[in-house]
Amino acid sequence: GENVEQHPSTLSVQEGDSAVIKCTYSDSASNYFPWYKQELGKRPQLIIDIRSNVGEKKDQRIAVTLNKTAKHFSLHITETQPEDSAVYFCAALTSNTGKLIFGQGTTLQVKP
Amino acid sequence: DAMVIQNPRYQVTQFGKPVTLSCSQTLNHNVMYWYQQKSSQAPKLLFHYYDKDFNNEADTPDNFQSRRPNTSFCFLDIRSPGLGDAAMYLCATSRAYSLNTEAFFGQGTRLTVV
Repeated sequence: GENVEQHPSTLSVQEGDSAVIKCTYSDSASNYFPWYKQELGKRPQLIIDIRSNVGEKKDQRIAVTLNKTAKHFSLHITETQPEDSAVYFCAALTSNTGKLIFGQGTTLQVKP
Repeated sequence: DAMVIQNPRYQVTQFGKPVTLSCSQTLNHNVMYWYQQKSSQAPKLLFHYYDKDFNNEADTPDNFQSRRPNTSFCFLDIRSPGLGDAAMYLCATSRAYSLNTEAFFGQGTRLTVV
């Protein structure tokens, strides 16, 4: 069945450093890839997304890249700040079925 | 402005007593989802509606049912809640059309089973 693998499960960086989280998906028909940030007790919040017709997208300190051939996409956070500390989830959606599957999550800790 | 609204935010139910969680949306999205999320885990897809078509995940227990009476509303029914069903239940919606897709979550309902 459809699957999304996310790595690493935990990531600790120093404030100001970059953080990279990687995901791979199994369904070649997936065409929408959102990233969510979830703080304790709150809903997943969409922070950036990328569609299958685009290879890269950037929004201030956050960027996402997509390699459709390898079925691989990544989240890049530059100049990390302590408030970036949270759990991050990648996901993959297939438009013709509507199915939205999540990766296992990455707990990011940014040390001051 | 809330776009995906879940009620209630917190629900306490007795072991074995049926409970219904509700979700509404103002986005006119064609797909609605129910996820179960337990502590320190990823959201687990229970089922989703693509328009009126119901899609159940193979490992979703029979104890969980869903209804979508119209585009805006979707319900999660837990027929006989067990202690293991205590979790955060997240509703999400998406506009699953190629090149125009987005997906958002409601605030969630935290279910406690006593």
